[in-house]
Amino acid sequence: SQKIEQNSEALNIQEGKTATLTCNYTNYSPAYLQWYRQDPGRGPVFLLLIRENEKEKRKERLKVTFDTTLKQSLFHITASQPADSATYLCALDITGGFKTIFGAGTRLFVKA
Amino acid sequence: SAVISQKPSRDICQRGTSLTIQCQVDSQVTMMFWYRQQPGQSLTLIATANQGSEATYESGFVIDKFPISRPNLTFSTLTVSNMSPEDSSIYLCSVDPGQDGYTFGSGTRLTVV
Repeated sequence: SQKIEQNSEALNIQEGKTATLTCNYTNYSPAYLQWYRQDPGRGPVFLLLIRENEKEKRKERLKVTFDTTLKQSLFHITASQPADSATYLCALDITGGFKTIFGAGTRLFVKA
Repeated sequence: SAVISQKPSRDICQRGTSLTIQCQVDSQVTMMFWYRQQPGQSLTLIATANQGSEATYESGFVIDKFPISRPNLTFSTLTVSNMSPEDSSIYLCSVDPGQDGYTFGSGTRLTVV
């Protein structure tokens, strides 16, 4: 069956370190993959989109990689700050823009 | 990117009653999506709503339970009907994916007692 896996255990890191979150998927051939941030009691906020022909994408302190052979995306936050503490969701498009599947998310805690 | 106003932000409802959730978008959009997010779970797509046509429901969701209206290109409602405690969840609307990804409303936290 189709599956997206994100580490259900929270990730705790020290301020200033790089946070790396993983998104693995099976049985998909997504055209693109997205990462979202979700704060408690709020809707998800879009962060980055990476296409299947892109290996890496950056935006300020964020970096996303996309390995379609490994069926994995890595999401990095460099120089992390306590304000980066949130749940991060990955999402796959599986039908060319008409249906997106979300992972359950990984909670990140950045300690000062 | 679009801005969505979703309301109510939260509600506590008696079982057997219905709640209608509204989403207003500040620009015209073709497709609107309704999701449910249960605690600690991923977002689950309930249905896709296009203006002028019946909503398309995902497996496990039916129109009688979750009727959707889409009267114009900036507005949609989702009704949760004949509620039971199992319907307690966060409900979210979102709009067309594009280069900037989905835009979501702030969510409606529903508790059924």
